[in-house]
Amino acid sequence: DAMVIQNPRYQVTQFGKPVTLSCSQTLNHNVMYWYQQKSSQAPKLLFHYYDKDFNNEADTPDNFQSRRPNTSFCFLDIRSPGLGDAAMYLCATSSERQDEQYFGPGTRLTVT
Amino acid sequence: QKEVEQDPGPLSVPEGAIVSLNCTYSNSAFQYFMWYRQYSRKGPELLMYTYSSGNKEDGRFTAQVDKSSKYISLFIRDSQPSDSATYLCAMRNQGGKLIFGQGTELSVKP
Repeated sequence: DAMVIQNPRYQVTQFGKPVTLSCSQTLNHNVMYWYQQKSSQAPKLLFHYYDKDFNNEADTPDNFQSRRPNTSFCFLDIRSPGLGDAAMYLCATSSERQDEQYFGPGTRLTVT
Repeated sequence: QKEVEQDPGPLSVPEGAIVSLNCTYSNSAFQYFMWYRQYSRKGPELLMYTYSSGNKEDGRFTAQVDKSSKYISLFIRDSQPSDSATYLCAMRNQGGKLIFGQGTELSVKP
């Protein structure tokens, strides 16, 4: 089945220790998104790629970076995680920007 | 004022009840409206996608959009315990980013 896969599902990192979250998709979609979702809150868009074109949201902290080496994979790098970065990180894809977004299961990040 | 307002609940109903979930919005440019279901510790799953005023039905689910009132609803008929989840409304304008509501936590009791 075509799908969006996120690894790991659970990640524990120490305060200030860089961490990378991974997303892959078998849908061959052009657009890949990263969202941050804190408990009982709406998902918040961090950035998205349209093909290799990176689009950062204005309020996304510099601490968050992303890479998309090919169509199938996208990575979220948190350079120096703080306690406030503990959240669920969701990857989503869509064929085009105006199309429906399909979400992965998320990676729950804990910062100790 | 948030662009999208959604009552966070929690909402608890008995099995078989009709559930009504609602969102209001302030941006009249929104054209596309979605409802996602999110089970605990999982990613959101797309339930309904509409782009015009009126009703759209899919099984036990009906999505309703009233653009004149800037109000959207999701109705669940014959609710089941497996419907227990958080329901997120989401919307956007042409070419814009998706704006989510806070989500309504629903519990259907057997």
